[in-house]
Amino acid sequence: DAGVTQSPTHLIKTRGQHVTLRCSPISGHKSVSWYQQVLGQGPQFIFQYYEKEERGRGNFPDRFSARQFPNYSSELNVNALLLGDSALYLCASSSMPGQPQHFGDGTRLSIL
Amino acid sequence: SQQGEEDPQALSIQEGENATMNCSYKTSINNLQWYRQNSGRGLVHLILIRSNEREKHSGRLRVTLDTSKKSSSLLITASRAADTASYFCATDPDTGRRALTFGSGTRLQVQP
Repeated sequence: DAGVTQSPTHLIKTRGQHVTLRCSPISGHKSVSWYQQVLGQGPQFIFQYYEKEERGRGNFPDRFSARQFPNYSSELNVNALLLGDSALYLCASSSMPGQPQHFGDGTRLSIL
Repeated sequence: SQQGEEDPQALSIQEGENATMNCSYKTSINNLQWYRQNSGRGLVHLILIRSNEREKHSGRLRVTLDTSKKSSSLLITASRAADTASYFCATDPDTGRRALTFGSGTRLQVQP
């Protein structure tokens, strides 16, 4: 079975632009979470979706938004990009919240 | 914000030696999980220990949990060069939001 897939793998944007990151969970998994990982630090929780509803939101500004589709795939959108948004964005899926999460390899976002 | 703090931040050992990493956290938890991350990749789930468990084993891994001290440790026995990676603890808090909160990680280097 395929693991969690994320696209694109790398992305370069300039300040003020908008970005959309995509994630396909493991088949059968209904919970998707998004994390931001800055170099040298642990992942920081951004959003969690379960059964297409937002179940949790981390301490991120309203420029960050997400949604989950009927097939349980998910998108993370970031508007008005700042230099500080440069990071590895990780998507993780699980059968339900609280269960071990399976991570994709992330999208490396660089802001110039 | 990071809930957990790993100690040490970095650890360098020889192949065959044991590696011990510690994690402290701040709030009540449902469970605590340990993950491994190879450079530039996503995280891989290693082991989950529930709040009512004190010790758990999986292959060469041994995890302990002390909820009174809000701390956990991960022991890797007979380490191998392939164990070189960053290791993170993550807590599943005892709140309505079942989102993992990660620590800052321990970078383990196993010298062949």
